[in-house]
Amino acid sequence: GENVEQHPSTLSVQEGDSAVIKCTYSDSASNYFPWYKQELGKRPQLIIDIRSNVGEKKDQRIAVTLNKTAKHFSLHITETQPEDSAVYFCAASNRDDKIIFGKGTRLHILP
Amino acid sequence: GAGVSQSPRYKVAKRGQDVALRCDPISGHVSLFWYQQALGQGPEFLTYFQNEAQLDKSGLPSDRFFAERPEGSVSTLKIQRTQQEDSAVYLCASSLGVTNQETQYFGPGTRLLVL
Repeated sequence: GENVEQHPSTLSVQEGDSAVIKCTYSDSASNYFPWYKQELGKRPQLIIDIRSNVGEKKDQRIAVTLNKTAKHFSLHITETQPEDSAVYFCAASNRDDKIIFGKGTRLHILP
Repeated sequence: GAGVSQSPRYKVAKRGQDVALRCDPISGHVSLFWYQQALGQGPEFLTYFQNEAQLDKSGLPSDRFFAERPEGSVSTLKIQRTQQEDSAVYLCASSLGVTNQETQYFGPGTRLLVL
C-alpha cells in the first residue's frame, strides 16, 4: 500500500520568510495530493491540492509542486505570517484507494 | 451552512467499556470517512462509506471497532471493550462526491481517553 513520508517534523521560520515542507510517496499509481492545515485544537482543513496532470499549482502565498518521476511533492508558503503557525499534513491517494496522510509538520512563525 | 459535527467532543471511558461516537456529515454529502488521530500524528484511515454502503473497512484496528451509516447520513463508530491504546482523537470527514479525490470536510473530532 501507499506510504507517505513528511519532513521536517518541526520547522521554525522568521515572519516574512518562506517555509518549505517536503513529502515523498511510494505508490506510483497515486495521482491526488492534498495538503491540510490543522491549527491547535481545531479540525484539519484543506488548503491546496494538486493532481498528477500538473507539476505546480499556486494560490496566493501558497504553492505546491509535484515531481512524479521522483515521487515527491512540496508545499511552499511565502511571506509567512503569524496565522500560518499550525500543523501541516500532506497526503496521497490513487482513485481506488484511501487517502494516506503524512505524520505532519509543526510550523512555527517567529516574530 | 453547517459543517460536519461530531458528538461527544470528549469521552472518558473505563477500560472494557463500550463507546459510541456520532458523526453528522454535511447534508447531501455522499462520502463519509472515519479517521483515528493519535497525539502528534496524522489522521489514519479507519473506514469509508458511500451513502449507506461501507466500501472499505480495512483500517479498523480490530473486530472491536464497528461503524455504520444505516440511512446514508449520520454515522456511528462503536468501540467495544475499549483498551488504553484506543485513546486518540476520532475524526469524521465527508465529501460531496463518490471518489476519494475531492475535498474532505472534517468534523472537530471526538477525543477519547480510556483509563
